[in-house]
Amino acid sequence: EDQVTQSPEALRLQEGESSSLNCSYTVSGLRGLFWYRQDPGKGPEFLFTLYSAGEEKEKERLKATLTKKESFLHITAPKPEDSATYLCAVEAGGYQKVTFGIGTKLQVIP
Amino acid sequence: GAVVSQHPSWVICKSGTSVKIECRSLDFQATTMFWYRQFPKQSLMLMATSNEGSKATYEQGVEKDKFLINHASLTLSTLTVTSAHPEDSSFYICSARDVQAQYFGPGTRLLVL
Repeated sequence: EDQVTQSPEALRLQEGESSSLNCSYTVSGLRGLFWYRQDPGKGPEFLFTLYSAGEEKEKERLKATLTKKESFLHITAPKPEDSATYLCAVEAGGYQKVTFGIGTKLQVIP
Repeated sequence: GAVVSQHPSWVICKSGTSVKIECRSLDFQATTMFWYRQFPKQSLMLMATSNEGSKATYEQGVEKDKFLINHASLTLSTLTVTSAHPEDSSFYICSARDVQAQYFGPGTRLLVL
């Protein structure tokens, strides 16, 4: 069974304090790893798709990286508006089913 | 691009009534859509996979007769919660798949009194 574990569950940062969120996964035949941002009471917002180990993608203050066992979401000089829950998900096998982690709740304090 | 809408955004109903939620992909066609349920402080729980023109595939433990899914076109899937009860109160989110990822709707908050 595919498993996705995110850590930490919650993270509190001062504005400008860079950090990383971790997503470790156990799957058979990874097709893609996804990062989403979810604000309270809203649906997840797509951020990145990573397909193979060594791949990196960036968007503003966010950078996602992928190895064979885990993915990191690096947040550089975060701002209060980056506060949200960040979800990691994996798609494996021949089916489009995606397994989500429980998320990391990020709070950035001014 | 890749915008998914969901309607209604919230609904309050009496126990025993049925509620229909619509999910539309606005700028792309989706042969596959997904329905999720999310409880407070928990991650997304996949309920079913909706395939255009065929029957939905339900996850283990999800009642097919209670949660009716119809995917009549490449841009529209509907979820009907039949004979809703208070325990069905939750946040329901749909998503549609394109070549890159699943894109999510804004969610529907259902409260059954």
